[in-house]
Amino acid sequence: SAVISQKPSRDICQRGTSLTIQCQVDSQVTMMFWYRQQPGQSLTLIATANQGSEATYESGFVIDKFPISRPNLTFSTLTVSNMSPEDSSIYLCSVEGFSGGSGKLFFGSGTQLSVL
Amino acid sequence: KQEVTQIPAALSVPEGENLVLNCSFTDSAIYNLQWFRQDPGKGLTSLLLIQSSQREQTSGRLNASLDKSSGRSTLYIAASQPGDSATYLCAVSGLGNQFYFGTGTSLTVIP
Repeated sequence: SAVISQKPSRDICQRGTSLTIQCQVDSQVTMMFWYRQQPGQSLTLIATANQGSEATYESGFVIDKFPISRPNLTFSTLTVSNMSPEDSSIYLCSVEGFSGGSGKLFFGSGTQLSVL
Repeated sequence: KQEVTQIPAALSVPEGENLVLNCSFTDSAIYNLQWFRQDPGKGLTSLLLIQSSQREQTSGRLNASLDKSSGRSTLYIAASQPGDSATYLCAVSGLGNQFYFGTGTSLTVIP
């Protein structure tokens, strides 16, 4: 299993500002995933962060809006830039562990973001 | 593209009842299916993982089944308790290391 520490757990931000979310894993992992969960919705993958290379973004998400860092195999950050109320969501980091041959997802505790 | 559906969207039961949550998916070519619990404003806690070759998994009062050919999974919760109140999500993994999530079932257990 993997233990993931994510912070902050929640924040209230002003429009136009940026927030950086940190994710620390207790073991080395190749890929880390960042998800967004808008109110009442399911999870949407923002990007996959690999150590030593640029993150891979999903359709609809761009690096200028959601820059990601992955300086080593246990840590990653996601920045939500130039925020608007539409960015109010829960942001989740996740890693994949391997159990019985295929991947099992582990999640951090989430960051609940409200933009005024 | 894989689509995952969970029915019902919300469920309210009295304490002590047994209940079943449903998850269906459109593409049977999956590697595994995972059930999660999510408390309000929080992250996801893994409950059970069923590999594609398995039919069910059990943990305590929870039992999850998988029928890959029909694209369905159920999560059975025995003797429900108020502490079971949460949103339950299922997710399937498939080709390209993609994970697809359902929209969840919000469960309320009334004392």
